[in-house]
Amino acid sequence: NAGVTQTPKFQVLKTGQSMTLQCAQDMNHEYMSWYRQDPGMGLRLIHYSVGAGITDQGEVPNGYNVSRSTTEDFPLRLLSAAPSQTSVYFCASSQRLAGVDEQYFGPGTRLTVT
Amino acid sequence: GNSVTQMEGPVTLSEEAFLTINCTYTATGYPSLFWYVQYPGEGLQLLLKATKADDKGSNKGFEATYRKETTSFHLEKGSVQVSDSAVYFCALSGTGGSYIPTFGRGTSLIVHP
Repeated sequence: NAGVTQTPKFQVLKTGQSMTLQCAQDMNHEYMSWYRQDPGMGLRLIHYSVGAGITDQGEVPNGYNVSRSTTEDFPLRLLSAAPSQTSVYFCASSQRLAGVDEQYFGPGTRLTVT
Repeated sequence: GNSVTQMEGPVTLSEEAFLTINCTYTATGYPSLFWYVQYPGEGLQLLLKATKADDKGSNKGFEATYRKETTSFHLEKGSVQVSDSAVYFCALSGTGGSYIPTFGRGTSLIVHP
């Protein structure tokens, strides 16, 4: 099992550019989510999905789009990058077993918007 | 709603010192409780968990006990190593049928030789 994979590891964008952060998991997990991590802010939930075809907004969804066409993939799209989106982005997945759902995180994408 | 409160960091210790990182929570129902660890430049990974009151989770010398009466899940280790330097996140999930976990803000631990 590769677990949760994210690409790219690092990215530099200019203001106004768009891009897609890729996330894939090979554990057949129903639940997937995207977080951003900023100094002193902890983890903030951007979007999440409880299964293929179902997505919903988290705490900080503005400026980001998601879709979930397969169980494995959950890409995050930045429509028009802004310097405020400079952050480290983590994708996570989980499956509830016996009422317990531990999260599996990817290694992160470090994004800088200039 | 649910919330998790962790002690502010950074926590700075010498090698072989005793570690406690406090975590308290507010939740409806009976959540599962977790500690995740994030080493520099990496994603979070599960360190230990407890799923019901009085359960003790343990891993790599770390322990935490689910205390329902004090709504706490404090992380402890008897003798820290330089390699334990990381950010530690307390979290809960499994309430109200929601998949969405609630994380604390994280506590940075720095261990000096």
